Amino acid sequence: NAGVTQTPKFQVLKTGQSMTLQCAQDMNHNSMYWYRQDPGMGLRLIYYSASEGTTDKGEVPNGYNVSRLNKREFSLRLESAAPSQTSVYFCASSEGGNSPLHFGNGTRLTVT
Amino acid sequence: LAKTTQPISMDSYEGQEVNITCSHNNIATNDYITWYQQFPSQGPRFIIQGYKTKVTNEVASLFIPADRKSSTLSLPRVSLSDTAVYYCLVGDRDMRFGAGTRLTVKP
Repeated sequence: NAGVTQTPKFQVLKTGQSMTLQCAQDMNHNSMYWYRQDPGMGLRLIYYSASEGTTDKGEVPNGYNVSRLNKREFSLRLESAAPSQTSVYFCASSEGGNSPLHFGNGTRLTVT
Repeated sequence: LAKTTQPISMDSYEGQEVNITCSHNNIATNDYITWYQQFPSQGPRFIIQGYKTKVTNEVASLFIPADRKSSTLSLPRVSLSDTAVYYCLVGDRDMRFGAGTRLTVKP
């Protein structure tokens, strides 16, 4: 099993460009999450999806949109990228409730 | 939503036992306490989880007092490869990380 797969691994955008970060899990997990991690900082929750068909805002949702396409996939979209969104983005999934999170390897995004 | 507080950093030496404490004063009845380890350029990795008393697995122990307002992650006989950031999380839905504890193990 691949676990949690994130694409792309690296991306450089110009200010104002848009892009979608993809995340897929093959563990039949109910819940999925998007985090960002700035250099030397902890992870901050952007959005999460407790179950297929639902999404909720986390700590830092502004400037992002998400889509829970199906049970496997949870995408994160930046409609108009800003330099402040330069970060490493991690996707995670879990069975739900108190179950542990399983993380992908991250997408390193630079906005110039 | 239970907020967690941990020391920002800790230093240790190889072979020592390391204890990292996390405060979570507003923990809810249904919340479990989960600890993660993160190496540079990687996503966090699950270490251990508990609800009350003591939990032990092959890499760590987790001590939780009766009031559940804090928890202590214990790493026995650390090695250089245990140098990482350690996070405690409390909750069952909105999984928010704090700043974590940066553990540095020295030779």
